Amino acid sequence: EAGVAQSPRYKIIEKRQSVAFWCNPISGHATLYWYQQILGQGPKLLIQFQNNGVVDDSQLPKDRFSAERLKGVDSTLKIQPAKLEDSAVYLCASSLGSGTNTGELFFGEGSRLTVL
Amino acid sequence: GQQVMQIPQYQHVQEGEDFTTYCNSSTTLSNIQWYKQRPGGHPVFLIQLVKSGEVKKQKRLTFQFGEAKKNSSLHITATQTTDVGTYFCAGPRGGADGLTFGKGTHLIIQP
Repeated sequence: EAGVAQSPRYKIIEKRQSVAFWCNPISGHATLYWYQQILGQGPKLLIQFQNNGVVDDSQLPKDRFSAERLKGVDSTLKIQPAKLEDSAVYLCASSLGSGTNTGELFFGEGSRLTVL
Repeated sequence: GQQVMQIPQYQHVQEGEDFTTYCNSSTTLSNIQWYKQRPGGHPVFLIQLVKSGEVKKQKRLTFQFGEAKKNSSLHITATQTTDVGTYFCAGPRGGADGLTFGKGTHLIIQP
């Protein structure tokens, strides 16, 4: 069974530039998450989709971050303009469940962003 | 919002020693999950606990969920170098979907 696919694996940009990350979840998983993991910390939820609808984006910095999940499968996360503090690994995850009983989250390898 | 606290932040052990990490929530959890992240890797699911006082074992790993469902622990017996990594607990975000992760316990093993 194919896992969660993410690209690019690494990206280096200068502050105020833009960047986009792509995620393809496990087939059949309706719930898709984007997490931000700063070095040495736990993953922080940015946004959660159920099919192509946003369930929770309360922790997404909407002035610079945006995400979409067209057709309820692939998803993209965009940052524009990037700030130094956005340097982190952006993890995409998917699950069969949702709500308070998500079940196991399957994570992709992550996209490591460095903002100079 | 709901927070999940983990201690210790770092744990150095000699290979063969035991290791325990603790997770505490400010609110009662319907369930709790544990993940392991190897250096440079991504979080990988270990287990989910649902019942009050539940204890589950996976080989050398023992997971417990507190009676009040506000705390949990992971105990590793006789650590091996393959156990190196960061162990995270995660609980449902109170009033919202998704999981809140603790900051993790970094396990460093000295041969």
